[in-house]
Amino acid sequence: QKEVEQDPGPLSVPEGAIVSLNCTYSNSAFQYFMWYRQYSRKGPELLMYTYSSGNKEDGRFTAQVDKSSKYISLFIRDSQPSDSATYLCAMKRGGGSNYKLTFGKGTLLTVNP
Amino acid sequence: EAGVTQSPTHLIKTRGQQATLRCSPISGHTSVYWYQQALGLGLQFLLWYDEGEERNRGNFPPRFSGRQFPNYSSELNVNALELEDSALYLCASSLADSNQETQYFGPGTRLLVL
Repeated sequence: QKEVEQDPGPLSVPEGAIVSLNCTYSNSAFQYFMWYRQYSRKGPELLMYTYSSGNKEDGRFTAQVDKSSKYISLFIRDSQPSDSATYLCAMKRGGGSNYKLTFGKGTLLTVNP
Repeated sequence: EAGVTQSPTHLIKTRGQQATLRCSPISGHTSVYWYQQALGLGLQFLLWYDEGEERNRGNFPPRFSGRQFPNYSSELNVNALELEDSALYLCASSLADSNQETQYFGPGTRLLVL
């Protein structure tokens, strides 16, 4: 079983739709959770960073973490064509020698005007 | 504030050659991470450097190596290139000593091995 599972999509939605992106993980040692957005042929850009169960909101984006279910989500409200990108979930354990991020494979999202 | 920078943007090599990729972290960041993003495999952790030392290494052969310089910039070297090394190589940086800090990525170097 992979440590982080993410549905690769692709996901295609009309402009204005609510988008839900999800990842599950198997390792309960993961404590910190991130969502990155990656446009084609670019580096990943940090969108959200959380380290506690519950919701965190930033504009049109809401990150949700459920540590008991080992499940994280990213919601995008009022989606725009400019949101078309690959969305990567990532997580890490904590300090010491385990700072490396473990990524999902990414979900390709297309928002159609 | 300038972000993470990487050079070159593109690199074309032939099998068996060596490639050198460079990264400059965000000012004030002491940790540098290297990742490989190959088609269909997602982002795979390669190496982590902090304060000039290698701190952690992913599941890659020894022909992937690197170093970190006193100014915290870093170099990734790939020896004896193989066709499957063709990928986007991403560098990220962070403040090393805080769990609350995460990693910020550069634009990547696209390596093509022919």
